[in-house]
Amino acid sequence: EAQLVESGGGLVEPGGSLRLSCAASGFTFSDALMTWVRQAPGKGLEWVGRIRSKTDGGTTDYAAPVKGRYTISRDDSKNTLYLQMNSLKTEDTAMYYCTTGGSRGYWGQGTLVTVSS
Amino acid sequence: QAVVTQEPSLTVSPGGTVTLTCGSSTGAVTSGHFPYWFQQKPGQAPRTLIYETYNKHSWTPARFSGSLLGGKASLTLSGAQPEDEAEYFCILSYSGARVFGGGTKLTVL
Repeated sequence: EAQLVESGGGLVEPGGSLRLSCAASGFTFSDALMTWVRQAPGKGLEWVGRIRSKTDGGTTDYAAPVKGRYTISRDDSKNTLYLQMNSLKTEDTAMYYCTTGGSRGYWGQGTLVTVSS
Repeated sequence: QAVVTQEPSLTVSPGGTVTLTCGSSTGAVTSGHFPYWFQQKPGQAPRTLIYETYNKHSWTPARFSGSLLGGKASLTLSGAQPEDEAEYFCILSYSGARVFGGGTKLTVL
């Protein structure tokens, strides 16, 4: 059974950094396009960014609000996706989910990031 | 950045049919926007119902279907069940990015 498990969330002060991880199992992670999505408390879903598989170039795309502050990477040897978040703002407070696209359609349960002083 | 629009709320009777739509500020939605539909219940992670316009996952109930209708992506629920009460989100692809709609809160009543 496919599974995505996020970790690394927590409380961080504005201007701080945090790295989220997403451990994948049950499918061929190295073939998968992986995406980060966030959801602020009581709000809708917001696309954060994605990373393609190495065979598709391994390139990344980001949403405008996080471009230049967030970096998505992957370690296919560890079946793990990462989200490095720098220069965090209070408006980055959200549940962060990793998800696969296409015919896989898997979601993790999310990890909560709170940016507050 | 493009804006993706969804009905804020809809109500359907048990056993009834309802269509949720997903529009784009840039014009007609096409298959090239690779529309996806997601269902989210309170306190739960989203789950993908439909990918790339009309494709279903193994867990997608047969009563859900996706299509393009009138220049928008559409999610049709035929034979609504109480457990279908949830928020539904669509997402569209634009060059280099994807954008979610604001979500439709579906009530089965």
